[in-house]
Amino acid sequence: SAVISQKPSRDICQRGTSLTIQCQVDSQVTMMFWYRQQPGQSLTLIATANQGSEATYESGFVIDKFPISRPNLTFSTLTVSNMSPEDSSIYLCSVYSFGENYGYTFGSGTRLTVV
Amino acid sequence: DAKTTQPNSMESNEEEPVHLPCNHSTISGTDYIHWYRQLPSQGPEYVIHGLTSNVNNRMASLAIAEDRKSSTLILHRATLRDAAVYYCILMGGNKLVFGAGTILRVKS
Repeated sequence: SAVISQKPSRDICQRGTSLTIQCQVDSQVTMMFWYRQQPGQSLTLIATANQGSEATYESGFVIDKFPISRPNLTFSTLTVSNMSPEDSSIYLCSVYSFGENYGYTFGSGTRLTVV
Repeated sequence: DAKTTQPNSMESNEEEPVHLPCNHSTISGTDYIHWYRQLPSQGPEYVIHGLTSNVNNRMASLAIAEDRKSSTLILHRATLRDAAVYYCILMGGNKLVFGAGTILRVKS
C-alpha cells in the first residue's frame, strides 16, 4: 500500500496564527483526503483534495479556514488558518489505492495544540 | 451516507475469538461494507471489506447477513495488539465516513 509522510507530526501554535500541514505520498494517487479527529472523537472528513482544481469541502468546513493545495498526484497541503483553541485536533491525510493493495491508507497524523 | 450502529465497547480475552457486530439496516444495494481499525496514537488502517459474500483475509473474516442489514467482523484469536477502535463503514462512493466505532479491549 502507499506510504504517507505527514509533517509536522505535532505542533503547538498561538491563537490567530496559521499552520500548514504537508502530506507526501510515495506513489501517484488519484484521491487524497483530509480528516480531523478532535480529542476523544471519531474522524471527520474535511475535504477531498483534487489535483489541478479546488478542493471539495464537506458540510461545516470552508476554504477560508482550511485552504488545501494539491499541486501534483503525490503531494497535498492543508492549512489551518486563524487558529483558535477549538482547532486543537489531530489532522490526518489519507489516500485511496486501487488494485492489489486496495483500501485507504492514512498518515500518522499531525497533533495540533492551539494555545 | 447510510448509517451504521456499533456497540460502544467490547472486551475480549487474549487468544479467544472476537465477534464485532455492526447493524446497517439502511444499506443500499451498491454499498460496500468496510472495516477499519485505529490503534492508539495511529491513523486508521484497513482491515477488510465485502459486498455480499463472506470474506477472509490474513487479518480477519467478515460475515455478512443474507439481507445485508448487518455484518460481523471476526478476529479469530485476539492478541493485545488488536486492542483498538474498530469502525464499520458503508461506502457507496469514494469517501470514508466514520461513525463512532467500537472500542475493543483485550485482556491478558
